Amino acid sequence: EDQVTQSPEALRLQEGESSSLNCSYTVSGLRGLFWYRQDPGKGPEFLFTLYSAGEEKEKERLKATLTKKESFLHITAPKPEDSATYLCAVQAINSGTYKYIFGTGTRLKVLA
Amino acid sequence: ETGVTQTPRHLVMGMTNKKSLKCEQHLGHNAMYWYKQSAKKPLELMFVYNFKEQTENNSVPSRFSPECPNSSHLFLHLHTLQPEDSALYLCASSQDAGSNYGYTFGSGTRLTVV
Repeated sequence: EDQVTQSPEALRLQEGESSSLNCSYTVSGLRGLFWYRQDPGKGPEFLFTLYSAGEEKEKERLKATLTKKESFLHITAPKPEDSATYLCAVQAINSGTYKYIFGTGTRLKVLA
Repeated sequence: ETGVTQTPRHLVMGMTNKKSLKCEQHLGHNAMYWYKQSAKKPLELMFVYNFKEQTENNSVPSRFSPECPNSSHLFLHLHTLQPEDSALYLCASSQDAGSNYGYTFGSGTRLTVV
């Protein structure tokens, strides 16, 4: 069964305390893995797409990496404005049908 | 602005009411989606429209009825809802349904059924 699991469910960091969020997946026919940021009361905002194992993408304090089984979102020296829920999603193709599967997210709180 | 606009932002309706949610995008995208987001659950795909044609109905109850008059507009008509339908309803768009670029989401409609 296709599945996306994110951990931890919630994370509290002090400002400047670097950490990583995990997204593990079990899908056949992976076409892409996506990271989104969601602020309270808003829709998810697209951050990155990773297409193949070994690929890395960076944006400001965020860096996403991908292996054949999981992806990490590394947050370096976070600031309070990085507080949000981070969602991972995978797109897979199976018998010509596309599926887009979301994880339940990691709620990040960065304390000043 | 995200490029995808949803109205209303908040909606409270009784179980016997009929209401509609509206979504509009001017990104030139050809695929539009309705998602339901409930607390501590993954986003649930409800409907997919690709080039104005419905390509997916993810076993959604008939009390939810989508409409896509053109590639820029998407509606979700609601009638005889249940309290468990209370959730954040998100509209999204992408270049097309097979695109493996990210989706653009609207800010959602927070629906409360009383």
